[in-house]
Amino acid sequence: NAGVTQTPKFQVLKTGQSMTLQCAQDMNHEYMSWYRQDPGMGLRLIHYSVGAGITDQGEVPNGYNVSRSTTEDFPLRLLSAAPSQTSVYFCASRGQKGTQYFGPGTRLTVL
Amino acid sequence: GENVEQHPSTLSVQEGDSAVIKCTYSDSASNYFPWYKQELGKRPQLIIDIRSNVGEKKDQRIAVTLNKTAKHFSLHITETQPEDSAVYFCAASRGGTSYGKLTFGQGTILTVHP
Repeated sequence: NAGVTQTPKFQVLKTGQSMTLQCAQDMNHEYMSWYRQDPGMGLRLIHYSVGAGITDQGEVPNGYNVSRSTTEDFPLRLLSAAPSQTSVYFCASRGQKGTQYFGPGTRLTVL
Repeated sequence: GENVEQHPSTLSVQEGDSAVIKCTYSDSASNYFPWYKQELGKRPQLIIDIRSNVGEKKDQRIAVTLNKTAKHFSLHITETQPEDSAVYFCAASRGGTSYGKLTFGQGTILTVHP
């Protein structure tokens, strides 16, 4: 099992550009989520999914879109990048009554 | 929504001492409380968790206590070692469709001095 994988590991964007952060898990977990981590602020939930075709907003959803067409994949799309979106992004997955596993993270810088 | 407050923000101890980190939560429907350890540049890793039907849980040098009435839970690390130095996060979530939806505290930077 690879667990939770994320690509890319690092990304630099210019303001206004769009991109997709990829996340995949091979544990057949129902629950997947995206968090961003900023210095001194812990992890904040961006978007969340309880299964294929079902997504919900978290605490800081503005500027981000998600979709869940398969159990395995949960991509995060930045529509028009802004410097305020400079952060480390973690994808996570969790099965029924199990541990939540995090991916290795994507470090995004928006200039 | 849920709000989780974590204290202290930094904690410095001598090797062999105990360390205690405390969290309070606001949503009385929360019933799952994990603790994560994050080393510099790495992903958060679960170290222990507790559910609302349990008051205390232990795993070697690590223990977590939960007081549902007061809505607070604590992480206790005994016989600290330099490799315990990291950032520790508490979190809370409800069950059901909110099961994977964690709300995190702001983190505690623990430094263990040899």
